[in-house]
Amino acid sequence: DIQMTQSPSTLSASVGDRVTITCRASQSISNLLAWYQQKPGKAPKLLIYKASNLETGVPSRFSGSGSGTEFTLTISSLQPDDFATFYCQHYNSYPYTFGQGTKLEIK
Amino acid sequence: EVQLMESGGGLIQPGGSLRLSCAASGFTFSNYAMSWVRQAPGKGLEWVSGLSGSGGSTFYAVSVKGRFTISRDNSKNTLYLQMNSLRAEDSAVYYCARGRTPCSGGTCYREFDYWGQGTLVTVSS
Repeated sequence: DIQMTQSPSTLSASVGDRVTITCRASQSISNLLAWYQQKPGKAPKLLIYKASNLETGVPSRFSGSGSGTEFTLTISSLQPDDFATFYCQHYNSYPYTFGQGTKLEIK
Repeated sequence: EVQLMESGGGLIQPGGSLRLSCAASGFTFSNYAMSWVRQAPGKGLEWVSGLSGSGGSTFYAVSVKGRFTISRDNSKNTLYLQMNSLRAEDSAVYYCARGRTPCSGGTCYREFDYWGQGTLVTVSS
């Protein structure tokens, strides 16, 4: 199975900051990577698909990049609504796997 | 409007069985691959199982293979997860999720664009 490793596990930042979350796959997954945002008690929300494509309705301050085994999610200017937990997920093959999550906290 | 609504969760003893359902509406259900994803309390997301739009291809995580069975009834627009031989570590909120673009048959790999609100399964004596 493909393992997904996210870093950092926790990130403290302030409104207006630029932040980057990294996700590494244990083997190449081409660009078949998604990023999700999850708030407490809610279902995950798709932000980015195929590594760099912004889902409809997602603010343009979110962006994704990478291919192969290294991927990043960047939020260009943090807004109050962005504080949540973020997960990467590969869908290159079954079984799909998620990263362990990155909790973005207010500094 | 696309909607997914899970049901069937509850408290069950170890070794017991439970069947989850996910009622879909707002899209042509048979055209889309579907999956179940779970989240143990305070933990991350774990993909559990998926199947093609036709239901002819099914896939499982190692942790549930042989114990869980995914299926769908396209005439009822409903996805199911039959869970047998339940263990304490199966306790989680179970979400159904839709593959983002149509895939009627065969094996398709998709990100998830719509999720249900989740149903809680607690395995405890």
